[in-house]
Amino acid sequence: DTAVSQTPKYLVTQMGNDKSIKCEQNLGHDTMYWYKQDSKKFLKIMFSYNNKELIINETVPNRFSPKSPDKAHLNLHINSLELGDSAVYFCASSQDSRSGNTIYFGEGSWLTVV
Amino acid sequence: AQSVTQPDIHITVSEGASLELRCNYSYGATPYLFWYVQSPGQGLQLLLKYFSGDTLVQGIKGFEAEFKRSQSSFNLRKPSVHWSDAAEYFCAVNAGGYQKVTFGTGTKLQVIP
Repeated sequence: DTAVSQTPKYLVTQMGNDKSIKCEQNLGHDTMYWYKQDSKKFLKIMFSYNNKELIINETVPNRFSPKSPDKAHLNLHINSLELGDSAVYFCASSQDSRSGNTIYFGEGSWLTVV
Repeated sequence: AQSVTQPDIHITVSEGASLELRCNYSYGATPYLFWYVQSPGQGLQLLLKYFSGDTLVQGIKGFEAEFKRSQSSFNLRKPSVHWSDAAEYFCAVNAGGYQKVTFGTGTKLQVIP
């Protein structure tokens, strides 16, 4: 079983559309994350949830809205997609939100906005 | 604020040769330090991490890293590289109370026969 799974793996969409990426972890972890990796491989945290509560919210446009229905799921909804949103989005989880815990990553969702 | 620098964007080594990937961090105290590997089309996988104690840390796949406080470095090493080690390697640091990890820009490793 995949520990952190996210869907879809590939997504091509037009500017202005709204899209969602789903993420689920079966590790029993309390904390989940969304990271964005740009074309230069730079990886930056976007959001973090601990037991369904938002604990990290980096400077991300309001068009990005995470939702955590339960601690095993963290979905990312993006409104009014722009060309600059093209990137790889990684979902991840860790046992809890304390520093030093190993972060387990999903395989990524490749988003291309045309 | 915490930051991580990986000075080498791309490194090429011959299979069987030794490897050292450089990582420097910026933080007042000793942070948590990590090395992750990303194979093409895959997510990141933890190779090893350092919190405290022995400054030489052993990881998976035969990798090790040495923490040097005086140089603010956490370099990754492997004595003999295999073709399957070709990947992108990321150094990361976390110095905050929350799990807010900052990643370096990565070093792409190419292994030639």
